[in-house]
Amino acid sequence: DAKTTQPTSMDCAEGRAANLPCNHSTISGNEYVYWYRQIHSQGPQYIIHGLKNNETNEMASLIITEDRKSSTLILPHATLRDTAVYYCIVRVGQDEKLTFGTGTRLTIIP
Amino acid sequence: EAGVAQSPRYKIIEKRQSVAFWCNPISGHATLYWYQQILGQGPKLLIQFQNNGVVDDSQLPKDRFSAERLKGVDSTLKIQPAKLEDSAVYLCASSPRLAGAVYNEQFFGPGTRLTVL
Repeated sequence: DAKTTQPTSMDCAEGRAANLPCNHSTISGNEYVYWYRQIHSQGPQYIIHGLKNNETNEMASLIITEDRKSSTLILPHATLRDTAVYYCIVRVGQDEKLTFGTGTRLTIIP
Repeated sequence: EAGVAQSPRYKIIEKRQSVAFWCNPISGHATLYWYQQILGQGPKLLIQFQNNGVVDDSQLPKDRFSAERLKGVDSTLKIQPAKLEDSAVYLCASSPRLAGAVYNEQFFGPGTRLTVL
């Protein structure tokens, strides 16, 4: 079973920052937080992952709370191409298995 | 770099028929996965291969589903006989197995959409 809770859907205006929350209150000390997204009719795509420090790459930023019980994925300047389902996943680093929940359907509005 | 290739992209069959899906992973990727994604749900892992050996097939309905990965490269997933509830998108993914890496990113193919009538 997925160990995360995400809102079912969110809207964001184009050009604004999209902030996607994820609750993972039962996360263990050796579990990482991963984010994938799935654009319509495509396979999921890796975005970012982190353990306890905030992370940033060319796609997004990941903010993890100090107690690690929740995190936020930030898309700094959302575009229409960011419309997708976003999945927050927790797993042990060496465990390659991904357990997907139902994710958050993010719609970017022109 | 070419991505994960899957074929066919779409397949429509009647229940009790057989169907097979093909996956060609990214060159050099040791690990290959098959996922089932039912409409409105996230992908669910069916089977994981490490080279040509099975690592995890705990969620594969073995009475009707089978998969193989010959020579540790391409893979096929077969359903025989199909049921209505098998209607879904079947996704193939691959990842490298980099020595010492904490995480090996999974790269997904476009999937095969199966409709069972």
